[in-house]
Amino acid sequence: SQQGEEDPQALSIQEGENATMNCSYKTSINNLQWYRQNSGRGLVHLILIRSNEREKHSGRLRVTLDTSKKSSSLLITASRAADTASYFCATDAVGLTGGGNKLTFGTGTQLKVEL
Amino acid sequence: DGGITQSPKYLFRKEGQNVTLSCEQNLNHDAMYWYRQDPGQGLRLIYYSQIVNDFQKGDIAEGYSVSREKKESFPLTVTSAQKNPTAFYLCASSPRLYTGELFFGEGSRLTVL
Repeated sequence: SQQGEEDPQALSIQEGENATMNCSYKTSINNLQWYRQNSGRGLVHLILIRSNEREKHSGRLRVTLDTSKKSSSLLITASRAADTASYFCATDAVGLTGGGNKLTFGTGTQLKVEL
Repeated sequence: DGGITQSPKYLFRKEGQNVTLSCEQNLNHDAMYWYRQDPGQGLRLIYYSQIVNDFQKGDIAEGYSVSREKKESFPLTVTSAQKNPTAFYLCASSPRLYTGELFFGEGSRLTVL
């Protein structure tokens, strides 16, 4: 089963607007990561936020983490057409088989930024 | 440039045939992973390897096999036992098992005819 669930599934905005996508998860985590995937390509790591952090910035990206609500948000400010992609959150949780932490990906948010 | 190379990019196979997807990395990473991606389902873990000559099953290992004879290489074989093999396959690596970010290849799209 998926640990992380992104919301919304799809988002369409105009260039220059901000894009916000959310991720909810079920169990306690050590950290949460966000990845980006252009259509038909591999995933690219964007940012990692640890469970003891509440907010993190990287360029036009702002990530928040609320461990009490088991949720995270990714904000892309001043979006560009080149930001069009799918965005995935990934959480680590202790592996059920005891084999160490395991990274589980959500189902993704498809972002389309129109000119 | 350092990175992960997957090949082939596109692969077509007839039912009943085994196919092997290649994954090579020159990042000197110990850990490597194979994920399967289907539309609307995110990524699911097939196999992972923490170190050379060691690998473990992930969530959906049935019908797949791997080997890790060299640090740089982690090939995935999709066997005829895999009931629904048509998917996008992604290989990834990290310095150690699940520490920090994963580095992904560009993926291989397998279509069963």
